[in-house]
Amino acid sequence: DGGITQSPKYLFRKEGQNVTLSCEQNLNHDAMYWYRQDPGQGLRLIYYSQIVNDFQKGDIAEGYSVSREKKESFPLTVTSAQKNPTAFYLCASRVRGVPDTQYFGPGTRLTVL
Amino acid sequence: DQQVKQNSPSLSVQEGRISILNCDYTNSMFDYFLWYKKYPAEGPTFLISISSIKDKNEDGRFTVFLNKSAKHLSLHIVPSQPGDSAVYFCAASNRYSGAGSYQLTFGKGTKLSVIP
Repeated sequence: DGGITQSPKYLFRKEGQNVTLSCEQNLNHDAMYWYRQDPGQGLRLIYYSQIVNDFQKGDIAEGYSVSREKKESFPLTVTSAQKNPTAFYLCASRVRGVPDTQYFGPGTRLTVL
Repeated sequence: DQQVKQNSPSLSVQEGRISILNCDYTNSMFDYFLWYKKYPAEGPTFLISISSIKDKNEDGRFTVFLNKSAKHLSLHIVPSQPGDSAVYFCAASNRYSGAGSYQLTFGKGTKLSVIP
């Protein structure tokens, strides 16, 4: 089955610790994205990558880092510099062509204690 | 500054009736619009989209209307079913921004409740 997987579904960390969220896709999509969702808010773009070994900051990149060493994988690290890391994190990928639609993974709920 | 606005945080509709979800945008460079449906603790699922060269797009029970002059789009669900109860996000992009990023800008969502 083709799709986007995010693991784990729920993640707990102590304040001050870095944590890495996994995102894998086997859809052969070139572009991948990380969003954050907070209660009552829309999705806000953290980072995106259009091709391997290239990525760009989104609207709220401070306190986050990413890598794109393989087409299938786009991990997100939430660093201790992120002031409000507790949120629901969503990974998406996009197929090139028409329509230019992003498809989302199931999300990871990160709670920092 | 919110470029995509969904001014109704919630909407309740009787089963079988029409649900109309609204979305306004301010950036005149947006030329592609999408609606996503999201259940709690799950990722959004793509519903329907529309290009700015059209004013209507249908897919089964879902129809999206675009009024470019008013910078307004709406999603119609007919007939509404209890399984449609979810949060609906409107999103917009500018395909030809030059950066080629095809970033989506999302509204804050409208929670639809379909009452049996």
